[in-house]
Amino acid sequence: NAGVTQTPKFQVLKTGQSMTLQCAQDMNHNSMYWYRQDPGMGLRLIYYSASEGTTDKGEVPNGYNVSRLNKREFSLRLESAAPSQTSVYFCASSDPGTSVPQYFGPGTRLLVL
Amino acid sequence: GENVEQHPSTLSVQEGDSAVIKCTYSDSASNYFPWYKQELGKRPQLIIDIRSNVGEKKDQRIAVTLNKTAKHFSLHITETQPEDSAVYFCAASKPNFGNEKLTFGTGTRLTIIP
Repeated sequence: NAGVTQTPKFQVLKTGQSMTLQCAQDMNHNSMYWYRQDPGMGLRLIYYSASEGTTDKGEVPNGYNVSRLNKREFSLRLESAAPSQTSVYFCASSDPGTSVPQYFGPGTRLLVL
Repeated sequence: GENVEQHPSTLSVQEGDSAVIKCTYSDSASNYFPWYKQELGKRPQLIIDIRSNVGEKKDQRIAVTLNKTAKHFSLHITETQPEDSAVYFCAASKPNFGNEKLTFGTGTRLTIIP
């Protein structure tokens, strides 16, 4: 099993550009999450998906959209990137019956200039 | 909403000694408290968790204790080893009909001195 995978690993964007961060898991998990990690601020939940076809806002959803394409994949889209979105983004998933993140992806480091 | 405070922000201990990291939470309804370890440049890993119906949980050299009255919980690492060097995050969540959301502490950077 690959676990949770993310692409790309690193990305540089200019202000106003758009991009989609991809996440996939092969553990047949229902719940998937997107977090951002900034220095000194821990991990903050952006969006959450309890199952295929459902999504829910987290603590910091502004400027982001998500798509739960199927049970495996959960993508995060930045429509118009801003410097404040410079961060490390982690996707995560959890076992059935658990609704908090257990398995994290390797992360995507995003720099917005 | 929930607020989780974590102390200390940095901690250095001699190899073989014990390390203790403490967290406090604000919402008395919180009932699930996981701890994550994040090595430099790596992803967070869930290392241990505790629910509010339990006062202590152990897994080899790590243990977590919970004091519901005082609303604080702690991570204890005994016989520390160089591979314990990492940032540790505590978190808390409360029941929400399958829609629980974690609130994370700001992390403790633990350095084990050989």
